[in-house]
Amino acid sequence: DTGVSQNPRHKITKRGQNVTFRCDPISEHNRLYWYRQTLGQGPEFLTYFQNEAQLEKSRLLSDRFSAERPKGSFSTLEIQRTEQGDSAMYLCASSLAIRVGEDSPLHFGNGTRLTVT
Amino acid sequence: RKEVEQDPGPFNVPEGATVAFNCTYSNSASQSFFWYRQDCRKEPKLLMSVYSSGNEDGRFTAQLNRASQYISLLIRDSKLSDSATYLCVVNHYGGSQGNLIFGKGTKLSVKP
Repeated sequence: DTGVSQNPRHKITKRGQNVTFRCDPISEHNRLYWYRQTLGQGPEFLTYFQNEAQLEKSRLLSDRFSAERPKGSFSTLEIQRTEQGDSAMYLCASSLAIRVGEDSPLHFGNGTRLTVT
Repeated sequence: RKEVEQDPGPFNVPEGATVAFNCTYSNSASQSFFWYRQDCRKEPKLLMSVYSSGNEDGRFTAQLNRASQYISLLIRDSKLSDSATYLCVVNHYGGSQGNLIFGKGTKLSVKP
């Protein structure tokens, strides 16, 4: 399977615990995105990387959230001191940006569903 | 004005109907536009990119109106399998800066 892979698929944690999710993008893709989605809403942009550089981070993202893509391949998203409001589906997507002035379509993984109790 | 806005619907239409969705965006510098489809409890999947001249893919037609800052999606001859949420995606900052923003989605339900 050469699509975007995320794990775990589901994570249940108690409030205050730290969690980490992993995303493996399509291998030749240079951009990697993290989104969060709650029921009835569209995906909310969190952050994105071009290769290993984190180029944009949403203003809505608290400092409890951190993402890394150390070698420009897989990425991790860590949430520290989780809160019930963090419960959501966390989606990773990747794309191959090759055209100047134009974005390429995103390819999404299946997501990690986080439940904070 | 929100960055990307869509009518949430739901749009309930009979099979064979033609249905159209609009999506407005706030940044006139935006350059990249897409429509995605999302089925219940699944990840979004690309339906089509939206080009300046408009483009068609089978029963689906996408158009861009830069002056009024909206994109549209037209579905002809609706099928039961078209039932899904349709998400509008816009590059908020323009160029290739990668900040792709999703609308909240428009829910379509096609009935027999």
